[in-house]
Amino acid sequence: EVHLVESGGALVQPGGSLRLSCAASGFTFSSYWMSWVRQAPGKGLEWVANMKQDGSERYYVDSVKGRFTISRDNVKNSLYLQMNSLRAEDTAVYYCARVYVLAAGGHYYYYMDVWGKGTTVTVSS
Amino acid sequence: DIQMTQSPSSLSASVGDRVTITCRASQSISTYLNWYQQKPGKAPKLLIYGASSLQSGVPSRFSGSGSGTDFTLTISSLQPEDFATYYCQQSYSILMYTFGQGTKLEIK
Repeated sequence: EVHLVESGGALVQPGGSLRLSCAASGFTFSSYWMSWVRQAPGKGLEWVANMKQDGSERYYVDSVKGRFTISRDNVKNSLYLQMNSLRAEDTAVYYCARVYVLAAGGHYYYYMDVWGKGTTVTVSS
Repeated sequence: DIQMTQSPSSLSASVGDRVTITCRASQSISTYLNWYQQKPGKAPKLLIYGASSLQSGVPSRFSGSGSGTDFTLTISSLQPEDFATYYCQQSYSILMYTFGQGTKLEIK
C-alpha cells in the first residue's frame, strides 16, 4: 500500500529552524515529483514547494523563497523541507504529497494523488 | 501568478441535493485543474484531475467540467459523507501551484 508519513513538526521560536521529513513507501519514490503543502489553523490549503524526481527542478511559493529548501533522498525514499528564519505565519500543518504526472493527448497533467497525514509546525515565543 | 477563486465560500445543502461549486482562474489554464475534498482533521483527497477525469475509487456522483478560466465541480446527489471542504487547484504552472480558497459544504 502506498504511504507517506511526515515527521519533524514541533514548537519553535520565531527566527528558528526546523527540518521536516516525509517517508515514502509502497511505490517507486524516485519516479515521482513530490510536493509540500501547508494549512494554517482554520485556513485553506497553500502549496509550498515542488521537487522533480532527480532534484534538478525545485519551485517555491514566494513567501518561503530564500528561507525554505526542499530536498530528497531517493535511496532513503524520503522528502525533506528545511525551514529557516521561521515566522509566526509559517504556523501550519505541513503535508507531503506525491505528484502524479499523466501524459495524455500531448498534455502533461500534474496532480497530487497521495497525501500524508501531516505534521504540525507552531512558530511562537 | 495565477489566482484561483471559488464560489460560494460556503454552502448549505441537504442529503440528495444536487450541488455545484465554481472555480475561476485569473488566466486561461486549459484543463489543468484538479479538485480535492478535505474533511476536518484529515488530509485532502483527490477527486478530479484534468478538469473532468474522475480519480480511481471516487464515486460517480462527483463530476467536473470546464476549460480555460471557468470550472465546476458537481455532486449529483449529496450523501452524508460528502459534507466537507472542497478545493480547486491549478497545475498549469509547475512553477507555482495555486489552490482556491475552499468551499465549505454544510448540512442544511
